[in-house]
Amino acid sequence: DIVMTQTPLSSPVTLGQPASITCKSSQSLVHSDGNTYLSWLQQRPGQPPRLLIYKVSNRFSGVPDRFSGSGSGTDFTLKISRVEAEDVGLYYCMQVTQFPFTFGQGTKLEIK
Amino acid sequence: EVQLVESGGGSVQPGGSLRLSCAGSGFTVSTDYMSWVRQAPGKGLEWVSLGHTNGNTYYADSVKGRFTSSRDSAKNMLFLHVNSLRVEDTAVYFCARGRTGDLYWGQGTLVTVSS
Repeated sequence: DIVMTQTPLSSPVTLGQPASITCKSSQSLVHSDGNTYLSWLQQRPGQPPRLLIYKVSNRFSGVPDRFSGSGSGTDFTLKISRVEAEDVGLYYCMQVTQFPFTFGQGTKLEIK
Repeated sequence: EVQLVESGGGSVQPGGSLRLSCAGSGFTVSTDYMSWVRQAPGKGLEWVSLGHTNGNTYYADSVKGRFTSSRDSAKNMLFLHVNSLRVEDTAVYFCARGRTGDLYWGQGTLVTVSS
């Protein structure tokens, strides 16, 4: 199975400041079709996960442009340009290149 | 609008069974990627099963042989038959549609396994 490792596991951030989460996979996420199936999810307290970013850098419908994704191969990053109060929650990277699909451990974003 | 609504969770003793349901709307359950993902209390996400568009279903090793996913095209529903339940199966079970840029999640249904 592909192991996804996120850092940090906890990220206290000041409102209006940037935040960054990294995700490393134990093997390349490049699919045989040439796509890299790395996604980022947000889970607000008491809510189900929701998709933010897919295929490394594509924002899902309705996701604010302060969220951006980058990376390639085995190393990926989620950036929030200016953190807002509604961004508090857990963030997960996930790979859907190979089954079983796997998730990172989750990063808790909180306001200082 | 894509919507998924799970039901069927509850409390059960170890060794028991349940059938979880996921009603889809705004898309066709029988032709899309359909998954079950679970989240134990206070823990992260674990993929349980994937119903592929090729008709095959894949399971996590932790549930293989005990859980079975099926679809009802007439009702536009996804099911998860969970058997031989263990304490460690306690979790919120989410159904999810899609795989990448079309990934939507339901609200989840709680399964508690306890004696």
